[in-house]
Amino acid sequence: EVRLAESGGGLVQPGGSLRLSCAASGFSFSDFWMSWVRQRPGKGLEWVANIRQDGGDKNYADSVRGRFIISRDNAMQSVFLQLNSLRGDDTAVYFCARDRRPPSVNDHWGQGTLVTVSS
Amino acid sequence: DIVLTQSPDSLAVSLGERATINCKSSQSVLYSANNKNYLAWYQQKDGQPPKLLIYWASIRESGVPDRFSGSESGTDFTLTINSLQPEDVAVYYCQQYFSARSITFGQGTRLEIK
Repeated sequence: EVRLAESGGGLVQPGGSLRLSCAASGFSFSDFWMSWVRQRPGKGLEWVANIRQDGGDKNYADSVRGRFIISRDNAMQSVFLQLNSLRGDDTAVYFCARDRRPPSVNDHWGQGTLVTVSS
Repeated sequence: DIVLTQSPDSLAVSLGERATINCKSSQSVLYSANNKNYLAWYQQKDGQPPKLLIYWASIRESGVPDRFSGSESGTDFTLTINSLQPEDVAVYYCQQYFSARSITFGQGTRLEIK
């Protein structure tokens, strides 16, 4: 059974940093792109970033490029999202999701971890 | 970025009736090399992560009931739910993955029981 478990969320002050982790199990992690998607409270889904199987290709939404860094460790079967220079509008539940390619859709999702940016 | 605009924002449908949700793309998401539309539909129930329903605009994900179907006409896409069931209450999102370096979602459509 595919399982994705996010961790690392919490309360952080504006300008601060946080590192999110997503532990994967139940599939061959190194065969899949992975993504982060966020959802602000009461709002819709926003794609944040994705990363290729070998970590050599990474893509970011304009809203986070230059502040967030996606990475992965295939030996640990984990994907990470480093959140820097956090702002109030980064407050959201952050979901980790597996990319199935083709067709490049998110076929499995974690339960999410809440990041709250507030002083 | 490709903008997806869903309509309506919310709708209420009686049990057993049909629900129709629309998604209009600001540009084509049809990849000419394989003649596939790079559009997916997701369902999100309260307090849960999204669930993949449809990809390639009309291909149902494994395990998804056949009352869910997707269709397309140019840059207009439709998710149809036939014979609405209580468990279909959710927010539905379309997603384009044509621009793989800038994936976008529609704003969501909330479906309720009338």
